[in-house]
Parts: sequence; C-alpha cells; structure tokens
Amino acid sequence: EDQVTQSPEALRLQEGESSSLNCSYTVSGLRGLFWYRQDPGKGPEFLFTLYSAGEEKEKERLKATLTKKESFLHITAPKPEDSATYLCAVQGGDDKIIFGKGTRLHILP
Amino acid sequence: KAGVTQTPRYLIKTRGQQVTLSCSPISGHRSVSWYQQTPGQGLQFLFEYFSETQRNKGNFPGRFSGRQFSNSRSEMNVSTLELGDSALYLCASSFAGQPYEQYFGPGTRLTVT
Repeated sequence: EDQVTQSPEALRLQEGESSSLNCSYTVSGLRGLFWYRQDPGKGPEFLFTLYSAGEEKEKERLKATLTKKESFLHITAPKPEDSATYLCAVQGGDDKIIFGKGTRLHILP
Repeated sequence: KAGVTQTPRYLIKTRGQQVTLSCSPISGHRSVSWYQQTPGQGLQFLFEYFSETQRNKGNFPGRFSGRQFSNSRSEMNVSTLELGDSALYLCASSFAGQPYEQYFGPGTRLTVT
C-alpha cells in the first residue's frame, strides 16, 4: 500500500537555526513528489515537484532533495515568517496523490 | 491570474442534511481534485475530475459525490451528513500534465452539528 510518513510531527527552531524535515514514502511507480506549505486557515501552497532520485530544487531559504525512499526539505537560516505546516505528497503510477500528515514548523524570533 | 476559488467559505449543517460545495479552478486548468482535511487524518483524496469525467476516486463512501461542468468548474455533494464529516474541504486545480502540480483554494470549513 502506498504510504507517506513525515517527521518530525512538530519542530521548534530559533531564528537562523537551520534544520531538515523528512518525508519517507512507499509508492509504486513514482510520478512525482511534492512539497507544500500550509498556513493556518488557508489551503496548501505549492513549493516544489521532484521527479527522480538525485534531483534537488531550491527556493529562497528552502531546498528539497529526493532519494529512492525519502525526501528532505532543508531550511537554511529560517525566519519567523517560515513558520507553517509543511506537507509532502507523492503521486504514484495509479495517479492518486497521497499526502503525509505534515510537519508543524515554528520559528522563534 | 486569479487563483482557485471556493464557495462558501464556511458552512454549518445539521446531521442528516446534504450540502453542495463549489470550486472554480484557475483559468486553463482542466483537472479539479477534492480533498478532506481533518486534524486526525490529514489531507485525504476524495476524487478527481478531468473534462467532466471522474478520473480517480479515493476511499470515501458513496455519500460523497462530485461533478465537473464544461467550464471546468466543479461541485461536490455530501448527502446524509454525519458528525464525522466536519472538516476543511479543499479543492485543487492543475493543468493535468504529469505529474500533477496542484494549486489549492482556501477551502470550505464544514461543521456538522
């Protein structure tokens, strides 16, 4: 059965303290792995798509990487405005998209 | 370019009633997907429509249904509401290329009492 597990569930960091969020997945025929950011009371905001192992993408203080079993979202020198829930999702060969339960990130000023 | 819009934003219904939610996708997007988000289960896929046809379906009971119109706008309907249907219902649109980069609306917060 296709599955996505995110860790940790919650993470508190000081402003400027870099860290990584993990997304482990099991899927048949990966078509894509997605990262989203969700602020309270809003819909998820698309960040990245990764297609194959070894791929990396960057946007401002965020960098996403992909291996055959997991993806990491690296956050470098975060700011309080980076506080949000970060969601990982995979699309398998059956085209269904499965989301993880997310990591709640809180950056303290 | 306007984003995905959903109406209504908030809704309170009573057990046993039915409800219809509406979603207007980004212009040019032909795929619309619906998700249910709850604190315990996270985001769960309901169904996806493309060119007025249901292309994919999640593991929800038949009380949950949807449709898509020729202008790509979509509606979802929940009949015989249960307390457990209280959730944030999110609509996402995509250009339907592979893979699906989805753009979400703000959601409809449904409360069943």
